[in-house]
Amino acid sequence: QKEVEQDPGPLSVPEGAIVSLNCTYSNSAFQYFMWYRQYSRKGPELLMYTYSSGNKEDGRFTAQVDKSSKYISLFIRDSQPSDSATYLCAMRDYGQNFVFGPGTRLSVLP
Amino acid sequence: EPEVTQTPSHQVTQMGQEVILRCVPISNHLYFYWYRQILGQKVEFLVSFYNNEISEKSEIFDDQFSVERPDGSNFTLKIRSTKLEDSAMYFCASPRDDNEKLFFGSGTQLSVL
Repeated sequence: QKEVEQDPGPLSVPEGAIVSLNCTYSNSAFQYFMWYRQYSRKGPELLMYTYSSGNKEDGRFTAQVDKSSKYISLFIRDSQPSDSATYLCAMRDYGQNFVFGPGTRLSVLP
Repeated sequence: EPEVTQTPSHQVTQMGQEVILRCVPISNHLYFYWYRQILGQKVEFLVSFYNNEISEKSEIFDDQFSVERPDGSNFTLKIRSTKLEDSAMYFCASPRDDNEKLFFGSGTQLSVL
């Protein structure tokens, strides 16, 4: 079983749609959770960071963590064409081991 | 202003040649990481470096790879004898002082011909 799995696969939505991106993980030692946005041929950019179960909101973005189910989500409201990118989940244990999901490529169509 | 800068942005080399990729943090970061991303694939961990020593490395980080902090600020990744399959984006990353959030440089695109 892969340590971090991410779904859905490549996703295309119309502008204004609500987008839901999800990751599941197997290692219960993971305590810190991040979402990154990566534009083509650029470095991943940190979008959201959280370390507790529950929701965290920042503008149009909401990160949700359910540690009991080992499941995290990123919701994007009122999606814009500029949101078109690859979204990576990442997580860390109490050490310095950051593990990344494979990414979901999102296309928001005008 | 970026947290971490990388040079060069693009490196083209012949198979078997040595390449050195450079990373310069702006503030005094303690941890450094190198990641690799082959086109269209996931971000893969290579090595972490703390206090001038390798902290952890992956299976990818074989004897062809080495990391150094030659002058206390620059942080380099060296590939001694490049192979075609080394072609990828290489990212340097570092957390802030809280060691919780990881920030990436803009990457070096390595093309091995």
